[in-house]
Amino acid sequence: AQTVTQSQPEMSVQEAETVTLSCTYDTSESDYYLFWYKQPPSRQMILVIRQEAYKQQNATENRFSVNFQKAAKSFSLKISDSQLGDAAMYFCAYSPTGANSKLTFGKGITLSVRP
Amino acid sequence: EPEVTQTPSHQVTQMGQEVILRCVPISNHLYFYWYRQILGQKVEFLVSFYNNEISEKSEIFDDQFSVERPDGSNFTLKIRSTKLEDSAMYFCAIRGSNQPQHFGDGTRLSIL
Repeated sequence: AQTVTQSQPEMSVQEAETVTLSCTYDTSESDYYLFWYKQPPSRQMILVIRQEAYKQQNATENRFSVNFQKAAKSFSLKISDSQLGDAAMYFCAYSPTGANSKLTFGKGITLSVRP
Repeated sequence: EPEVTQTPSHQVTQMGQEVILRCVPISNHLYFYWYRQILGQKVEFLVSFYNNEISEKSEIFDDQFSVERPDGSNFTLKIRSTKLEDSAMYFCAIRGSNQPQHFGDGTRLSIL
């Protein structure tokens, strides 16, 4: 079974600085997807970024980028120029390819942003 | 603008009662999912639904749970006889082919 591990429960970053959130996963599949979802206090689940395992290039979305290390099964999220609105819970998630692409989530990390 | 709307946003129900949670996609999607998040815990998969039938379900999704898409648009999750431990946030998610899942705003279910 696939597992996703987020070992840091909390992190804090100064506004305008850069922060990296860590995630590791375990799977026997060679092709799959990895995601970061943001959950603000309103408890919505907002997709931040997606990485396809067969693509070597790291995904980027504006201030958000990932460091995908397939051999190490590591998938970290880097947030550049942190803003107060980035404060939220961040979940790393895995899904297989194909029709039954259920998401398996990590426990999440609470990110606070200091003004 | 969310791709999927969930109703109600908050449901308070007595233990033992039935509840129906609804999910309405804005446009046509192929795949539907329900997830649950107990307060302070991680998001857990309940069930996936494709082509008008369940494609996968978790151990959590026991006989008290059911899903259907009765009119081709609404996608519902029914809990037949609620228990205290069913109190959680329930999220519907949808996706198209080769697309990531997009979540609704969730329904907070409180069982008294």
